[in-house]
Amino acid sequence: KQEVTQIPAALSVPEGENLVLNCSFTDSAIYNLQWFRQDPGKGLTSLLLIQSSQREQTSGRLNASLDKSSGRSTLYIAASQPGDSATYLCAVNPRAGNNRKLIWGLGTSLAVNP
Amino acid sequence: NAGVMQNPRHLVRRRGQEARLRCSPMKGHSHVYWYRQLPEEGLKFMVYLQKENIIDESGMPKERFSAEFPKEGPSILRIQQVVRGDSAAYFCASSPRKETQYFGPGTRLLVL
Repeated sequence: KQEVTQIPAALSVPEGENLVLNCSFTDSAIYNLQWFRQDPGKGLTSLLLIQSSQREQTSGRLNASLDKSSGRSTLYIAASQPGDSATYLCAVNPRAGNNRKLIWGLGTSLAVNP
Repeated sequence: NAGVMQNPRHLVRRRGQEARLRCSPMKGHSHVYWYRQLPEEGLKFMVYLQKENIIDESGMPKERFSAEFPKEGPSILRIQQVVRGDSAAYFCASSPRKETQYFGPGTRLLVL
């Protein structure tokens, strides 16, 4: 059974720091992995999607890597800003079954302090 | 191409009432997924539908919950006789095939 874990559960950093959020999954048979951002009481914003054949994806100050064999992904945020404060969710699209239902981590709650 | 639309965005119901949540997928998308996010919990898959068919409802509670995706019109998630434990954010996602899922803004259900 696929399980997704995110560490740390919460993170508080001063503005300007580079930081790394971690996501691990138990079954390496995945189609892709996706990172989302969720602001309090808001919807889900897709940040980066990494296909199983890819090693990393970049968008602006965000870089996500994928090591499928070890069941790990990291989201790197460079030069963090207060506007980055949100909950970051990792979701895995597993190959098991045929329905592509996403399996989610509990998220990392990030606070970037001015 | 408008994104996935969900309405209402916020819904308040008293215990015992019915809640109907609507999801309009992106144009050309025939696959719809519903997820639920309970307070202080992660998102959990509920049901996967294609036009007029329920493909996987393994995440749906056995009672009071139903979903449909008719040939015409939005997908509907229906909760009968709501209880306080149904209070959550309900997210809908659509995809053109079994590819990347695009999410709507969610409906926040509050049961009083």
